[in-house]
Amino acid sequence: AQSVTQLGSHVSVSEGALVLLRCNYSSSVPPYLFWYVQYPNQGLQLLLKYTTGATLVKGINGFEAEFKKSETSFHLTKPSAHMSDAAEYFCAAPGDAGNMLTFGGGTRLMVKP
Amino acid sequence: DAGVTQSPTHLIKTRGQHVTLRCSPISGHKSVSWYQQVLGQGPQFIFQYYEKEERGRGNFPDRFSARQFPNYSSELNVNALLLGDSALYLCASSRQGEAKNIQYFGAGTRLSVL
Repeated sequence: AQSVTQLGSHVSVSEGALVLLRCNYSSSVPPYLFWYVQYPNQGLQLLLKYTTGATLVKGINGFEAEFKKSETSFHLTKPSAHMSDAAEYFCAAPGDAGNMLTFGGGTRLMVKP
Repeated sequence: DAGVTQSPTHLIKTRGQHVTLRCSPISGHKSVSWYQQVLGQGPQFIFQYYEKEERGRGNFPDRFSARQFPNYSSELNVNALLLGDSALYLCASSRQGEAKNIQYFGAGTRLSVL
């Protein structure tokens, strides 16, 4: 079964700095990978989705992620952090049944002024 | 179009009680999934329903059950509540029931068990 690991439960950056949130997957190469964002007291919102063949994926709000098979990684980046980016970010991969998702533990991004 | 709606938004119960959570999917979506998110953790898959049939079940005890109605809305039921059931319960809908389909999440129901 697929598992997803997010390194760093908390990441703090200054406004305007590069954002890098790490995600590694296990097992076989997944056909799909997702990044979701969760703002306080809200549900999850899709940032971007990887599908086979496109290694660099662009999402909403200036985020992008690169699929690296050799490193089994799908890290999320943004060139310049904004205060509004402060939230919890989750990496997810398909599970064993239907369209279930297996989520990583999440990374809380804090942006300092 | 309305997104995924869940009710109630907050709920307080005591141990041993029963709870029913409700979810209305986005119009046109036929698949509904339920997730449990304990504070400080990622969501854990509980159930998926597609066209009113159970398509997947996570590692949860039989106290958890769900169903999907002809209008594709869904209920999650939890019996004999334990303190450890305190969590945010998320519902997600998608057009079909396949892995490639994007899941859209509701804001969740926050359940507190005292």
